[in-house]
Amino acid sequence: RKEVEQDPGPFNVPEGATVAFNCTYSNSASQSFFWYRQDCRKEPKLLMSVYSSGNEDGRFTAQLNRASQYISLLIRDSKLSDSATYLCVVTLSGGSYIPTFGRGTSLIVHP
Amino acid sequence: DGGITQSPKYLFRKEGQNVTLSCEQNLNHDAMYWYRQDPGQGLRLIYYSQIVNDFQKGDIAEGYSVSREKKESFPLTVTSAQKNPTAFYLCASRDRESPLHFGNGTRLTVT
Repeated sequence: RKEVEQDPGPFNVPEGATVAFNCTYSNSASQSFFWYRQDCRKEPKLLMSVYSSGNEDGRFTAQLNRASQYISLLIRDSKLSDSATYLCVVTLSGGSYIPTFGRGTSLIVHP
Repeated sequence: DGGITQSPKYLFRKEGQNVTLSCEQNLNHDAMYWYRQDPGQGLRLIYYSQIVNDFQKGDIAEGYSVSREKKESFPLTVTSAQKNPTAFYLCASRDRESPLHFGNGTRLTVT
C-alpha cells in the first residue's frame, strides 16, 4: 500500500459545481497535512493546511479524519480558474519530517 | 521578499555531461529538499538535508549528488549515471512542521 494515495481523476465538473477529493495515508503517526495546488508546468503552491478541527478558506474546506486516516478537500462554486492538480502532502512524526506527496488529483472545470 | 530561487529555469545538456542545478533560499529554513517530477506523475524525493553539512538519500538518489555547505544553498548535480535525467526538478525548504515552500523549478532536457 502506498503511503499517500489519491484518485488521479480527472474530475470533470461544470462551473458552479461542488467537488470533493480525498487523500488516504497509511501511517497513523502522521502529524501534519497540507493541500497544494499545481498548475501545468509550474511549482506546487500551498492551498491550505489541514487542521484536526477542519478549516475553511473561502470556497475551500479541508477536513482530517484520523480514525479513517484520510484528509479531504471540498471546493464549492467551482470556477474555471480552479482547474489544476491538487496534491495532498503528509508529514510523518517521530523525528522524521519528510513530507510525502500523493500523486495528485486532476480537476477540470468547464463552462 | 523571502523565498527560494532555482536557476536556471530551463537547462539543456548533452547525454554524458554532468549538470548542476542551483537552489538558494533566504527563509532561514533548516530543511531543504530536491524532488523530481515526470509528466503526469507525482513528486519523487531525490535528496534532503535537515541541517548544514548533512544530507540523506531519498527514494530515487541514484545518479544524483548534493552538497549542503551553507544553510542557504542546496545544489543538485545530475550525473551521467542518471539514466533518464530529463524531468522537472523542484527544490523546497521548510521549517520543522511548517508547509514546504517551493522554488519555481528547473526543467532539464538531456539529449
